Amino acid sequence: NAGVMQNPRHLVRRRGQEARLRCSPMKGHSHVYWYRQLPEEGLKFMVYLQKENIIDESGMPKERFSAEFPKEGPSILRIQQVVRGDSAAYFCASSQTGGTTEAFFGQGTRLTVV
Amino acid sequence: AQSVTQLDSQVPVFEEAPVELRCNYSSSVSVYLFWYVQYPNQGLQLLLKYLSGSTLVESINGFEAEFNKSQTSFHLRKPSVHISDTAEYFCAVSVQGAQKLVFGQGTRLTINP
Repeated sequence: NAGVMQNPRHLVRRRGQEARLRCSPMKGHSHVYWYRQLPEEGLKFMVYLQKENIIDESGMPKERFSAEFPKEGPSILRIQQVVRGDSAAYFCASSQTGGTTEAFFGQGTRLTVV
Repeated sequence: AQSVTQLDSQVPVFEEAPVELRCNYSSSVSVYLFWYVQYPNQGLQLLLKYLSGSTLVESINGFEAEFNKSQTSFHLRKPSVHISDTAEYFCAVSVQGAQKLVFGQGTRLTINP
């Protein structure tokens, strides 16, 4: 049973481009969470999704950021018109039944905006 | 709202020495507590967690943490560290039944030979 898979591991974008980060949850998991780790900081919650539904997006910036978790395929975190301040590590976690007690994290995508 | 404070951003210790990484939290309701470890260039791995019951929880690699409700703390300890313990350690809290974790800023543990 593969773990949470995130790709790409590293992503470089120029200012103004779009970044798409993908997260495939563990087999049998239908709950996905995205967290952002800015340099020298801890992880901050961004969004919680179940299949085809956004449950809690209280941590998402109001503009340029969006997330989806379609019925088929991975969850996508999309950042439009990236700026240097978006440079961070983005981590995805998944769980089978929801909640924080059994969430498994992926290895993260490190986004660098140049 | 919950918050987590890790008092030390960096902790250097010698190999085989004991270590304590401090974590304090604030919450007005019952919480779950976690320690995650992030090895260089890797993702987060759950080290141990407190959900209920015994206030002392242990990991398979010799770490332990004790939930102290009166002091709102969940400090992580290991009696004798190894080079392989070099990593960043994050304390996290979640409200029981909540869907998100609140993380501390992390403590970078460096083991010197």
